[in-house]
Amino acid sequence: DAKTTQPPSMDCAEGRAANLPCNHSTISGNEYVYWYRQIHSQGPQYIIHGLKNNETNEMASLIITEDRKSSTLILPHATLRDTAVYYCIVLPYGQNFVFGPGTRLSVLP
Amino acid sequence: DAMVIQNPRYQVTQFGKPVTLSCSQTLNHNVMYWYQQKSSQAPKLLFHYYDKDFNNEADTPDNFQSRRPNTSFCFLDIRSPGLGDAAMYLCATSRDRQGDTQYFGPGTRLTVL
Repeated sequence: DAKTTQPPSMDCAEGRAANLPCNHSTISGNEYVYWYRQIHSQGPQYIIHGLKNNETNEMASLIITEDRKSSTLILPHATLRDTAVYYCIVLPYGQNFVFGPGTRLSVLP
Repeated sequence: DAMVIQNPRYQVTQFGKPVTLSCSQTLNHNVMYWYQQKSSQAPKLLFHYYDKDFNNEADTPDNFQSRRPNTSFCFLDIRSPGLGDAAMYLCATSRDRQGDTQYFGPGTRLTVL
């Protein structure tokens, strides 16, 4: 079973920041938080992952709360091409990904 | 660019007629995965190979099998496709152990007539 809770859907205006929340209240100390997205009819695309510290790359930023029970994926300037399903996955070391239903993000013009 | 390639992108088969989907990778990753994704659902892991070691998920039907003849290629065989096997089939790779970042191919959409 997925160990995360995400809102089923969100809207964001084009050009604005998209902030996607994820709750993972039962996360353990050695479990990573991964984010993927899946644009319609394509394979999932890796975005970012982290353990404790906030992370940033060319696609997004990942903010993890100090108690690690929740995180937020930030797309700083959303475009129409960011419309996708976003999956937050908690991954124990040595185990496989379990995808939950994710958040369907719609970027509106 | 290093990548995960799936062929064909769209596959049509008949009820009960065996079908094989293929995946290749240029990443030289040790682990290869097969997922099934039905319409409006999340991807679900079927099995994976760690090098030559095959690992089947407990609830994967016997109708699904896999082969990995070398590091680069992995095949998904569906012995007798049913209507319920219509789905997107996703191949993914990771560099080493389970728990590494996975990189996905574009998927093969299977239609069963």
